[in-house]
Amino acid sequence: AQSVTQPDIHITVSEGASLELRCNYSYGATPYLFWYVQSPGQGLQLLLKYFSGDTLVQGIKGFEAEFKRSQSSFNLRKPSVHWSDAAEYFCAVGTYNNNDMRFGAGTRLTVKP
Amino acid sequence: SQTIHQWPATLVQPVGSPLSLECTVEGTSNPNLYWYRQAAGRGLQLLFYSVGIGQISSEVPQNLSASRPQDRQFILSSKKLLLSDSGFYLCAWSVHSGETQYFGPGTRLLVL
Repeated sequence: AQSVTQPDIHITVSEGASLELRCNYSYGATPYLFWYVQSPGQGLQLLLKYFSGDTLVQGIKGFEAEFKRSQSSFNLRKPSVHWSDAAEYFCAVGTYNNNDMRFGAGTRLTVKP
Repeated sequence: SQTIHQWPATLVQPVGSPLSLECTVEGTSNPNLYWYRQAAGRGLQLLFYSVGIGQISSEVPQNLSASRPQDRQFILSSKKLLLSDSGFYLCAWSVHSGETQYFGPGTRLLVL
C-alpha cells in the first residue's frame, strides 16, 4: 500500500517570506498526489492535486507543488506567505481505483508578523 | 455545485451512550463516501468507505459502524461509546475511487 511522510511537524515563517512544505511518498507506480489545508476546527480544503502531465501544479491561494518522481516528493511552495496562511497542511497519496487514500500526519504552519 | 453537510457540529456524550453522526451530499449522484477520524495533533484515519447504497467497507475494526441508507447519506454509529472515540470526525465524498476527496466541516466528539 502507498504511504506518505511529512517530515516537518511544525514550521514558523515570517509574513512575506517564502514557504516550502515537504512531502515524501512511497508507491511503486505513479500516485495521485494532493495537498489539503485545514484551519482550526474546520474540514479540509483542497489546495491542489497531481494526477499526470505537467509536474508543476498550480493551486488556489497562490500555492504550487512540484512532483519529482526521482525523489518521491511532492513539496508545496508559496513565494510570499500571508498571515491568513497559518493552518495545518496535509499531503495525501491515492492510487487509481483505490479508496484507501493515505494522509500524512500534517505540518502546522505558524506565520510571524 | 456540490456541497457536503455534517451534523451535529459538536457533540458531548457520556461513555457507554450511543452515537449517530450524519453526513449528506448534495449536487451529485452515486458518490463514493468516506468517514475519517482525526485525533488531536494527528493525521486522518480512514474508518469506512462506501461505493453505493448498502455497501460499506471497514478499514479499522472497532466499536463503530457505518450505514448508507440513501445514495447521498452516510451515517456513523456506535452502540456504546468509549473514551477513545473522542476526536474530530470528517466525512468526505469523491466521484471515483482514488480521485479527489471533498470534505465536510466535521463533527467534534467529546466522550466523557
